[in-house]
Amino acid sequence: DAGVTQSPTHLIKTRGQQVTLRCSPKSGHDTVSWYQQALGQGPQFIFQYYEEEERQRGNFPDRFSGHQYPNYSSELNVNALLLGDSALYLCASTMSGISQPQHFGDGTRLSIL
Amino acid sequence: GEDVEQSLFLSVREGDSSVINCTYTDSSSTYLYWYKQEPGAGLQLLTYIFSNMDMKQDQRLTVLLNKKDKHLSLRIADTQTGDSAIYFCADHNQAGTALIFGKGTTLSVSS
Repeated sequence: DAGVTQSPTHLIKTRGQQVTLRCSPKSGHDTVSWYQQALGQGPQFIFQYYEEEERQRGNFPDRFSGHQYPNYSSELNVNALLLGDSALYLCASTMSGISQPQHFGDGTRLSIL
Repeated sequence: GEDVEQSLFLSVREGDSSVINCTYTDSSSTYLYWYKQEPGAGLQLLTYIFSNMDMKQDQRLTVLLNKKDKHLSLRIADTQTGDSAIYFCADHNQAGTALIFGKGTTLSVSS
């Protein structure tokens, strides 16, 4: 039973560039959430996708956008990268419904130079 | 808004019990969670407790929930060096979509 998979594992970009991160949910899950984890902090919610639409969004600017495909996989796009966007980006999946346990992938480590 | 707080560090000796504490503000959550994060890795769902339970035991792990005081704890019996990691307490937001995390408790186990 495959868990949540994310790609790439690591990424290095420069300021102003754009990046796309990818996530495949755990088998049987149809809801995907994205979190940003800065060094020494807990993960912060970016947004959640369900039925190919953004269901809820955290306190992140419009530079952060996402997409969910019919097979439930998801992408996180970040435009106009800033140094402060350097973080571990975590994808979590869950079964549809509210307040269900979320299962996380190993994350993508994004470094901005 | 919703908030989750945890102590930042805990140091124990191998074989001892570890107790990690957490307080939360939102009382409407269905479940409360404990996640483990090892260096360079993502979050592993360790265990979770339904909000109408007081206690849940899962092998070496015991979760205690005091809803009146909004206090959650994780006890690890017979702590091993492999238990060294960061432990996060998490609660759902009021919409039940996002998880709200504490800053994490770094557990250091010495032999």
